Amino acid sequence: SQKIEQNSEALNIQEGKTATLTCNYTNYSPAYLQWYRQDPGRGPVFLLLIRENEKEKRKERLKVTFDTTLKQSLFHITASQPADSATYLCALLNNYGQNFVFGPGTRLSVLP
Amino acid sequence: DTGVSQNPRHKITKRGQNVTFRCDPISEHNRLYWYRQTLGQGPEFLTYFQNEAQLEKSRLLSDRFSAERPKGSFSTLEIQRTEQGDSAMYLCASSYQTAQETQYFGPGTRLLVL
Repeated sequence: SQKIEQNSEALNIQEGKTATLTCNYTNYSPAYLQWYRQDPGRGPVFLLLIRENEKEKRKERLKVTFDTTLKQSLFHITASQPADSATYLCALLNNYGQNFVFGPGTRLSVLP
Repeated sequence: DTGVSQNPRHKITKRGQNVTFRCDPISEHNRLYWYRQTLGQGPEFLTYFQNEAQLEKSRLLSDRFSAERPKGSFSTLEIQRTEQGDSAMYLCASSYQTAQETQYFGPGTRLLVL
């Protein structure tokens, strides 16, 4: 069956460290994968998109990798700050290419 | 560009009642999506429109759910004969022409069915 898993329900790290979140998928062949941030009581906010032929994408303190062999994407936040505390969602374009399917999210807490 | 707006933001209803939610997308966006999200889960796709045409509907979506986008602008999502299991956050998102474009989400409508 098709499945998207994100590494853990919650991740706590110390301010200044690098946070690494994982997104693993099964029985999908996504051409695109996106990462979103969601704060409590609000809709998700787009962060980065990576295509299947791209290995890595960067935006300021954010870095995303996409390994279609391992069927995994990694999302890194360097020099993390308490303001980075939120739930992070990965989403991949489904096999029909018509809509994105979201993972369950990882709740990140950056401790001062 | 004022972003995607949704109304109401909160709705409390009794089991068996009908409810209707409205979504106003970003004006130049052709695609409009509806999602449902429960606590601790990611958004679950319900349906999407390309302009006024409803092109896909999740197989998980009950017949009690219906969505419209009559003029290709705002959209409504109606739930008939609500059940307690319908309690969730209902999110609307819009994007430009193609599926891989960035989706811009609204703040959501939180529904509680008593």
